[in-house]
Amino acid sequence: EAGVAQSPRYKIIEKRQSVAFWCNPISGHATLYWYQQILGQGPKLLIQFQNNGVVDDSQLPKDRFSAERLKGVDSTLKIQPAKLEDSAVYLCASNLLGMGDTQYFGPGTRLTVL
Amino acid sequence: DQQVKQNSPSLSVQEGRISILNCDYTNSMFDYFLWYKKYPAEGPTFLISISSIKDKNEDGRFTVFLNKSAKHLSLHIVPSQPGDSAVYFCAASKGNTGKLIFGQGTTLQVKP
Repeated sequence: EAGVAQSPRYKIIEKRQSVAFWCNPISGHATLYWYQQILGQGPKLLIQFQNNGVVDDSQLPKDRFSAERLKGVDSTLKIQPAKLEDSAVYLCASNLLGMGDTQYFGPGTRLTVL
Repeated sequence: DQQVKQNSPSLSVQEGRISILNCDYTNSMFDYFLWYKKYPAEGPTFLISISSIKDKNEDGRFTVFLNKSAKHLSLHIVPSQPGDSAVYFCAASKGNTGKLIFGQGTTLQVKP
């Protein structure tokens, strides 16, 4: 069974530029999560999708971050414009039903904002 | 407000000995707790979990203990192996939301 795929693996941009990350969850997984992991901290949930609907985006900085999951499968996370403090690893995870199911994580995208 | 805390940034143990990783939480509504392991340049992988109705869960070399009155859980690895060297994250959730709150992580080094 293929795992959660993410691309790109690394991205370096300058502040005020835009960037987008892509995630392909495990086949059949209805729930998809985007996390931000700043160096030295644990992952922090940004947004949770159930199929193509948003379940929780309470910690998503909506003035600059946006995410979509149009067909209930792949998802993209966008930052526009980026700030220095957005430098982090962006992790995508998925699970079958949400709730207490184990979340399976992708390898992440390491973003550096200069 | 850090609801899940791992106060030890790092831990070093000798191969074959026991590794004990600790985690504290503040929200009494949390009812499900998990441990994830993370190698460099990889995403976290699920290790073991425990429901708040239990106080112990065991899976091979890994055992998680939950002390609800103290709002404390610990992960025991016995015996520790060099391949266990990784960052370990404690996480908690409440209800059936699926939303995980992670601790800061503890880097475990197991020396041969």
